Amino acid sequence: SQQGEEDPQALSIQEGENATMNCSYKTSINNLQWYRQNSGRGLVHLILIRSNEREKHSGRLRVTLDTSKKSSSLLITASRAADTASYFCATARPSNTGKLIFGQGTTLQVKP
Amino acid sequence: DAGVIQSPRHEVTEMGQEVTLRCKPISGHDYLFWYRQTMMRGLELLIYFNNNVPIDDSGMPEDRFSAKMPNASFSTLKIQPSEPRDSAVYFCASSSSNTGEGNQPQHFGDGTRLSIL
Repeated sequence: SQQGEEDPQALSIQEGENATMNCSYKTSINNLQWYRQNSGRGLVHLILIRSNEREKHSGRLRVTLDTSKKSSSLLITASRAADTASYFCATARPSNTGKLIFGQGTTLQVKP
Repeated sequence: DAGVIQSPRHEVTEMGQEVTLRCKPISGHDYLFWYRQTMMRGLELLIYFNNNVPIDDSGMPEDRFSAKMPNASFSTLKIQPSEPRDSAVYFCASSSSNTGEGNQPQHFGDGTRLSIL
């Protein structure tokens, strides 16, 4: 199965609400990354959190990492209709090969 | 600042035909990745290169698929002969290891939507 597995698979919220997506993985990691994909476009990198970090912020995004539970969460605060997209987590192994393992993604719909 | 450029954006062809997808990575990036995305299988890594050398092609579905990177600014993914089950969106991505750390963020092109009839 995928190294990164997101949950939920789909999430629908109203504009202004917060959205939380979770990612679980199975092996040791060097870092974990979150990406966004708008319909018909490529993935766009959002944020990277290293294995020795527990929390990171970027604008309305907050990412946490719990290496003991092998899990991460992405929180989008005060969501906007423009946040409607699919969100993927990706893990990087300590082997430093450049390769990332992507999860299946969470589809987020933000209703205006 | 030019991102990863893929061509064509859309390709429709009949089964049995040869298909060539092209990618120009971001200048200075030393890693290049080819992915395939479908609803059923999600995002799959097909092959990736480091400094123009293929590192891992274990994701290439079968011998009908081949990829080359003749220089640092160009890569191709070829399918010959194509089959309907190859229909998918194919993404190219690049990244840089020049920070000394591996596994840096990948920059994706907007993909080639391939339909094999």
